[in-house]
Amino acid sequence: AQSVTQLDSQVPVFEEAPVELRCNYSSSVSVYLFWYVQYPNQGLQLLLKYLSGSTLVKGINGFEAEFNKSQTSFHLRKPSVHISDTAEYFCAVTRGPGANFGNEKLTFGTGTRLTIIP
Amino acid sequence: NAGVTQTPKFQVLKTGQSMTLQCAQDMNHEYMSWYRQDPGMGLRLIHYSVGAGITDQGEVPNGYNVSRSTTEDFPLRLLSAAPSQTSVYFCASSYSAGNPSYEQYFGPGTRLTVT
Repeated sequence: AQSVTQLDSQVPVFEEAPVELRCNYSSSVSVYLFWYVQYPNQGLQLLLKYLSGSTLVKGINGFEAEFNKSQTSFHLRKPSVHISDTAEYFCAVTRGPGANFGNEKLTFGTGTRLTIIP
Repeated sequence: NAGVTQTPKFQVLKTGQSMTLQCAQDMNHEYMSWYRQDPGMGLRLIHYSVGAGITDQGEVPNGYNVSRSTTEDFPLRLLSAAPSQTSVYFCASSYSAGNPSYEQYFGPGTRLTVT
């Protein structure tokens, strides 16, 4: 089974400052990795995903993440945050290539609440 | 496309009552799932379905029932509501295996309170 650890439950950042949200995973098989964002009172929206290929993945709204297999990490970064980035961010993992079905068991981390300070 | 829709948006139940949370998608997705979201615990998978007529249990299935008679609909039934089922419930859908998207599309959620 896969598991995900998001080390920070809350991250306050000043507007226009860079941010990194940390995610570590555990799995005995290859994985696919995702970052989802949840704006207040809304459902989850996909920010970016790593399936294969380049370990640096770019997503929407200027976010990017780097897959590091040796450190089993998939940290999310943005060079300059905006007030509109205030949200909760979830890292998620599922079995990768060779699974019988796609992402039928997406395992989520506990989330990181990003607060932007004006 | 409406995407993934959920009804109701809010619901208050008394302990012991039953109800059905509705979920529908119009994207012809084979895979559908139900999650609950609780503070500090992220999202936990309740039940999922890889196609019409096929369902399976997730991480926290106790107290919930599902069925999948059509591709579009995946209702979640609370058999006898308990205060521990107070949560926000999300339905999600995605393409089946083999599609490189591997993205799950989420509904807006149902906020359930059990008193």
